[in-house]
Amino acid sequence: DQQVKQNSPSLSVQEGRISILNCDYTNSMFDYFLWYKKYPAEGPTFLISISSIKDKNEDGRFTVFLNKSAKHLSLHIVPSQPGDSAVYFCAASALNYGGSQGNLIFGKGTKLSVKP
Amino acid sequence: KAGVTQTPRYLIKTRGQQVTLSCSPISGHRSVSWYQQTPGQGLQFLFEYFSETQRNKGNFPGRFSGRQFSNSRSEMNVSTLELGDSALYLCASSLAGWRDSNYGYTFGSGTRLTVV
Repeated sequence: DQQVKQNSPSLSVQEGRISILNCDYTNSMFDYFLWYKKYPAEGPTFLISISSIKDKNEDGRFTVFLNKSAKHLSLHIVPSQPGDSAVYFCAASALNYGGSQGNLIFGKGTKLSVKP
Repeated sequence: KAGVTQTPRYLIKTRGQQVTLSCSPISGHRSVSWYQQTPGQGLQFLFEYFSETQRNKGNFPGRFSGRQFSNSRSEMNVSTLELGDSALYLCASSLAGWRDSNYGYTFGSGTRLTVV
C-alpha cells in the first residue's frame, strides 16, 4: 500500500501564477515531511521541509503547508517560473519507523510545467 | 565540494546476469542510502548503510544486496536480473542519517540500468 500519495501526475501553470502541488499520507506516525525537485538526468534535490509540530514553513517563493488532521500537505510556489518545471516528490518519515531514523518514503511525483 | 558520485551512469545488461553499481558519498558523509526509481512506482527505498553496517532495509527481494566500505563508498548488487529491474538507481548520502540536517539527503545523478 502506498503511504505517501501524490494523486496528480502532472500540473501545468502559467508563468507568474501560483503552483500548488498536493500530497496525502496515511501513516499517522509520520513526523517529518520533505519536498524534493528533480530535473531529467539529475538526482532529486532538496527543496523544503516541515516538521509535524508546525503547520507552515516558508523559504522564498516556496511554502509548505501541513494539515495533520487531514493527513495532507501542499507545496505552494509563488510566483511560478519556467525554471521551476521539474518533477516534485513529496517524502515523509517517522522516527523509529523502519530503522533508527526511519527511512524516507516518497510519493510517485508530480510533473510541473510552467509555461512562459 | 564534490557531490555524490555514481558510476556508471548507464548500463545495459541481459536478463539473468548480475550487476554492481557504485556510489561515492560526499566526503565526510557516513550514511549511504539506495533508492530505485521507476515510472510507475516513484522512488522506493532499497537499503541504508552506516559505518559499514546495513541499518535499514526496504521491501526488495534478496537479489538486491549492498555493502559499504571503510571509506563510506557503497556498492549495490543485483543478481539474476529481471526485466522489471530496469530503473534509475539513486544513491543518497548524509552525515549520519537524513535527520541530521534540515535538507535530508544529497542525491547522486543515478545509474540508469536497462535489462534486455
